[in-house]
Amino acid sequence: KQEVTQIPAALSVPEGENLVLNCSFTDSAIYNLQWFRQDPGKGLTSLLLIQSSQREQTSGRLNASLDKSSGRSTLYIAASQPGDSATYLCAVKPYGQNFVFGPGTRLSVLP
Amino acid sequence: SQTIHQWPATLVQPVGSPLSLECTVEGTSNPNLYWYRQAAGRGLQLLFYSVGIGQISSEVPQNLSASRPQDRQFILSSKKLLLSDSGFYLCAWSVTQGARETQYFGPGTRLLVL
Repeated sequence: KQEVTQIPAALSVPEGENLVLNCSFTDSAIYNLQWFRQDPGKGLTSLLLIQSSQREQTSGRLNASLDKSSGRSTLYIAASQPGDSATYLCAVKPYGQNFVFGPGTRLSVLP
Repeated sequence: SQTIHQWPATLVQPVGSPLSLECTVEGTSNPNLYWYRQAAGRGLQLLFYSVGIGQISSEVPQNLSASRPQDRQFILSSKKLLLSDSGFYLCAWSVTQGARETQYFGPGTRLLVL
């Protein structure tokens, strides 16, 4: 059964810092991996999707990488801003199964 | 463009009362539809998913049920709410394009059972 973990559970950084969020999954048989952002009391917003054949995807200050063989993905946020404060979740789409979500990393960017 | 609506945004219900949460999707056809629950400080729990009208799969046994009366409408119901049903309910949809399936979420409904 696929399991997804995220480290760290919470992170607090000063504004302007570059940071990395980690996502690990136990079974490499996935179609794709998706990173989401969730603001308090809101739904999830899709940030990036990496297909299993891809190594990375970029959107603005965000860069997500995927190493399927080792079961890892990272979300790199450059020059963090207070507006980046949110919970970040990763989810994998395994073969023949529904999406499996990680517990999330709660990020606080301090001005 | 595709949009997903959920209502109500917030709901306070007494224990034992019925529940009906509605989700509709616009701008896409034949989506896969999902109901998730997110309890405070916990991850997303998949409750139900549907690949077509009238086709519902349940992931966890509970006192909730789901229905899909139309292609882009997904309803979550209960006949008698329990305290443990409190949480944040999220509807989502996805479409498969080749080997790629992307999921999109609605704004959520916060349910408090007293």
